Order: sequence, then C-alpha cells, then structure tokens
Amino acid sequence: EPEVTQTPSHQVTQMGQEVILRCVPISNHLYFYWYRQILGQKVEFLVSFYNNEISEKSEIFDDQFSVERPDGSNFTLKIRSTKLEDSAMYFCASSGTLQETQYFGPGTRLLVL
Amino acid sequence: KNEVEQSPQNLTAQEGEFITINCSYSVGISALHWLQQHPGGGIVSLFMLSSGKKKHGRLIATINIQEKHSSLHITASHPRDSAVYICAVKSPGEYGNKLVFGAGTILRVKS
Repeated sequence: EPEVTQTPSHQVTQMGQEVILRCVPISNHLYFYWYRQILGQKVEFLVSFYNNEISEKSEIFDDQFSVERPDGSNFTLKIRSTKLEDSAMYFCASSGTLQETQYFGPGTRLLVL
Repeated sequence: KNEVEQSPQNLTAQEGEFITINCSYSVGISALHWLQQHPGGGIVSLFMLSSGKKKHGRLIATINIQEKHSSLHITASHPRDSAVYICAVKSPGEYGNKLVFGAGTILRVKS
C-alpha cells in the first residue's frame, strides 16, 4: 500500500541553524501539507501546497519557514534559523483531491538546542 | 475559527468493553477525520466522514451535522487499541483544506 515517507526520523540542531525536513508524498497525490505537534499539545496546521504554490498557511508559518517541491517526488519544509520553540514533531501529509482523506507520514522529531 | 473539543481526555477500559469517544466543533465543516496516534507518534487516518455513519472492523464513526457532533465507537476493545484518538475537522471552501485538530483522547485498554 502506498505511504507517505519522511526523512530524517529525528534531527537535533543548534538554535539559529537551518534545517530541511523531507517528505515523499504518495505518488499520484496533488495536495501536500505540513503540520506540527509540540510535545503535549494539539497537532497544528502549518501550510498547504498545490500546483507548485502555497494555497493556505497559518500564522505559525512566518518568514522563517518555506516549502518547496524541488522535483516530482519530494516535498520539503525549510526552517531558516531555528528557535527553541520550533522543537516539535513535524508531519507531512498528502491527498489526491480536496475531498479525499489526508495520509500522514511518520513524522520528523526536531529538537532545537 | 473552528474550535474542536473532545471528551473524555483520558479513558481507561477493560478488554472487551464498548468505548465511545466524542467530538464537537463550533463551525460548519465539509468533513471530519478520526485519526489514531500511537506512542511512537505516527498518525493513521481511521475515517473521513461528512454525514451518517462509517464502519471498519470494530470501529464505527458517526456524525450529526446539525448538532456539530461526532462519535467514535470501538466494540470489543483490545489492548492493541490503546492509543491517542484525535478528531480533526476540515472547513469548506476552495482552499479550505487545512485540518483543525482536537486535543485527543488517550485510551488505555487493560487486559
């Protein structure tokens, strides 16, 4: 069964460093999403992406964040200058259409020191 | 902005018991998801529904659009059902595909 994959599974970085989180959505899906979950808190929406552009973003998704689909398979989330409060589990998701269910990847656990 | 509330926050059950988890939301939606999150953190989609009822194995999800309420039922619960169950809603609109999540219900099923 097709699945969303994410790399790395864990990342530790120093405050101020840039990180890139990678996702490979399900191959025929067109809609892509990033969510995050700070430890002990709700999952929060960050951004949705369709047709090579951002379709919606949350207040969390400020200028420090960017997303890209550099080729036909990868979908990346970049944090330019990480802060302590960026420590969280980051989930990628994809769906075939707006009406279909979203399939989640296993997550990347990011720790900023 | 949609507010999603789940109850109970924590639930402990004996193996074999019938379990109900509730979700209510404040604003009209286009769809509601029930998700399962295991201790490792991964999220699995259980159901997406916009009306009526869906069943998959021992899991049943219902939604009442007028009352803005959904329930997830687990029949004949088993220790492997122990996980966090999360309700998430999707707002209507061309680009309104983001999900708004509840805080989750931590379920522990004892053998």
